[in-house]
Amino acid sequence: GAVVSQHPSWVICKSGTSVKIECRSLDFQATTMFWYRQFPKQSLMLMATSNEGSKATYEQGVEKDKFLINHASLTLSTLTVTSAHPEDSSFYICSARSHRGLYEQYFGPGTRLTVT
Amino acid sequence: AQKVTQAQTEISVVEKEDVTLDCVYETRDTTYYLFWYKQPPSGELVFLIRRNSFDEQNEISGRYSWNFQKSTSSFNFTITASQVVDSAVYFCALSGSSNTGKLIFGQGTTLQVKP
Repeated sequence: GAVVSQHPSWVICKSGTSVKIECRSLDFQATTMFWYRQFPKQSLMLMATSNEGSKATYEQGVEKDKFLINHASLTLSTLTVTSAHPEDSSFYICSARSHRGLYEQYFGPGTRLTVT
Repeated sequence: AQKVTQAQTEISVVEKEDVTLDCVYETRDTTYYLFWYKQPPSGELVFLIRRNSFDEQNEISGRYSWNFQKSTSSFNFTITASQVVDSAVYFCALSGSSNTGKLIFGQGTTLQVKP
């Protein structure tokens, strides 16, 4: 149980275009989802927290107009990188938490974004 | 503020050696959880352990063991008789009651186990 999927697993896009990444909880309802970014050889940095049916809470320094997060249902959150630039190239990882466990997060496999 | 420090950036050992990965944390919360994750080259995070702040018992799972000491704010991870498949980046993480369950990650330790 507690499986989280991400789609796509990797994507290449051109500078200036937008790309959407999906995060799904497959066998549980995720009231909260987290989005992380990881640059090569670095740690995971939390970008934002999204709660189903409400606006996402962004961490300091993360542009909310650039990284659009939508948590429209209890099993799906999306991250849209708008007007992507090469510096947005990174590994994006989501995690999901059910209402039953404040401290239990289940991670997706990650999406590798390359902006050319 | 909450913080996790993994002072060892990279460790290289020869197969069958024991290796300990250090983790030191800072928090003012009395209720918190500590985690270890493994990230192999594929990138997917693999959950290894979760420990709450009220349980200081050491834990052993096969070749893995964890030493939690609140007095020194440390949560160290030991791999006994390391294997090549243990090569990965290992992250220690903290989640406290004051930050609504958000995970704060350490910088990670890259472990290379040579045959």
